[in-house]
Amino acid sequence: QVQLVQSGVEVKKPGASVKVSCKTFGYSFSSHGISWVRQAPGQGLEWMGWISVNTGSTDYADKFLDRVTMTADTSTNTVYMSLTNLRPDDTAVYYCARVNWATVEAGWFDPWGQGTLVIVSS
Amino acid sequence: SYVLTQLPSVSVAPGQTARITCGGNKIGGKSVNWYHQKPGQGPMLVMYDGGARPSGIPQRFSGSTSGNPATLTISRVEVGDEGDYYCQVWESANHHWVFGGGTKVTVI
Repeated sequence: QVQLVQSGVEVKKPGASVKVSCKTFGYSFSSHGISWVRQAPGQGLEWMGWISVNTGSTDYADKFLDRVTMTADTSTNTVYMSLTNLRPDDTAVYYCARVNWATVEAGWFDPWGQGTLVIVSS
Repeated sequence: SYVLTQLPSVSVAPGQTARITCGGNKIGGKSVNWYHQKPGQGPMLVMYDGGARPSGIPQRFSGSTSGNPATLTISRVEVGDEGDYYCQVWESANHHWVFGGGTKVTVI
C-alpha cells in the first residue's frame, strides 16, 4: 500500500526556518517525484515545487524560489522540504504528494501525505 | 503564469447532477486533474488526465477531455460528495503545476 507519512506540527518564530519530512512506503522510491503543496487557513491549494527523486532535479514556484529547498534521501525513502525566513503568512498545512506521469504533458498527484501544520508566530 | 478559474461555489440537491468547471487559456489542449477535499481532510485525486478515474472512484464521477472550460461532472450526487474541488494542470513551458482556486460543493 502506497503511503506518505509526514512529520508533526511545527511552531516557529518569524525569521526562522522549518524542515518538513515526507517518508514514503510501498513503492519504488526513485520511480516517482514528490511535490509539495501548501494550504493557508481557509484558503486554496498552492503549489510550491517538486523534486525528481531519480535525478535530484527540482522545480520551484517563482514565489518560493529564494526560500525553499527540496531534497531526497534514498537511504530512508524520505523527501524533505525546507523553508527559510518564515513569516506569519507562511502559517499553513504543508502537504507532500507523489507525482505520477502518463506522458510528459500529463502528471498528477496521488497519494498525498496527511499534512503538516506549520505555525509562524512571535 | 497560467491561471485556472473556478466558480467559488455550487449547490446541488441529492440525486441531481453537479457540474464543476475550470477555465483557462487553451485548456482544451491540456491534461486536467481534479482533487476533492472534504472538511478537515487532505486532498484526494478523483480524476486525472482529463477523464481517467483512479481506483475506488465511482463511475458517477466523469471528466471532460476537451473544450473550454474543463468540467468535472458528478451524477446522482450524495452528501459525501460535499467539499472543495480543485482543478490542476501541468504548465509545460516552465515545468510548474497550477491549481484552480477551488469550488465548494454543497449538497442541499
